[in-house]
Amino acid sequence: RKEVEQDPGPFNVPEGATVAFNCTYSNSASQSFFWYRQDCRKEPKLLMSVYSSGNEDGRFTAQLNRASQYISLLIRDSKLSDSATYLCAVKSTGGFKTIFGAGTRLFVKA
Amino acid sequence: GAVVSQHPSWVICKSGTSVKIECRSLDFQATTMFWYRQFPKQSLMLMATSNEGSKATYEQGVEKDKFLINHASLTLSTLTVTSAHPEDSSFYICSAPRDSEYNSPLHFGNGTRLTVT
Repeated sequence: RKEVEQDPGPFNVPEGATVAFNCTYSNSASQSFFWYRQDCRKEPKLLMSVYSSGNEDGRFTAQLNRASQYISLLIRDSKLSDSATYLCAVKSTGGFKTIFGAGTRLFVKA
Repeated sequence: GAVVSQHPSWVICKSGTSVKIECRSLDFQATTMFWYRQFPKQSLMLMATSNEGSKATYEQGVEKDKFLINHASLTLSTLTVTSAHPEDSSFYICSAPRDSEYNSPLHFGNGTRLTVT
């Protein structure tokens, strides 16, 4: 089983749609969680950290469920510019290694 | 602005040659940096953890004698791909947390696209 697993995608949605991505992790001792965005042939960029109580940043909402070991990302009112690959990342205890999911591709169409 | 700088952005080399990639933290000190590799349409795979002043820690399956890592200062880590082969062609990306807090996210360099002919 992979340490971090994501929805396979791709997700094809119209502009204005709401889309949700899920990600599960296997290490129950994981401490920190993040969502990154990666554009084609570019480096990943931090989208947002995920906090235990859930957090929101504009159109983006992240949730953490420690009991079920999954994190989610909700994008509301999708824009064309949201088209990218979304990576969830989990930081393990000790050594501060960050493990990434395989990513979910999102295509937002006019 | 960028907090981690990586150079070069792309490189083409012949089989058997070595390639050095530099990763710098721009406005903070990074005692630890992480090197990832990403093949087309695949995820980021952690190769090694670069530790300032000590040996790097390699992930299982990564050859330490082929991928030499040096972290001689608090702002610079280098990855040298030795005796490169076409199968080493990939996107190499370095990263560092801005601080040592457990919840500090990684910031990435812009990556190096290596093509070995």
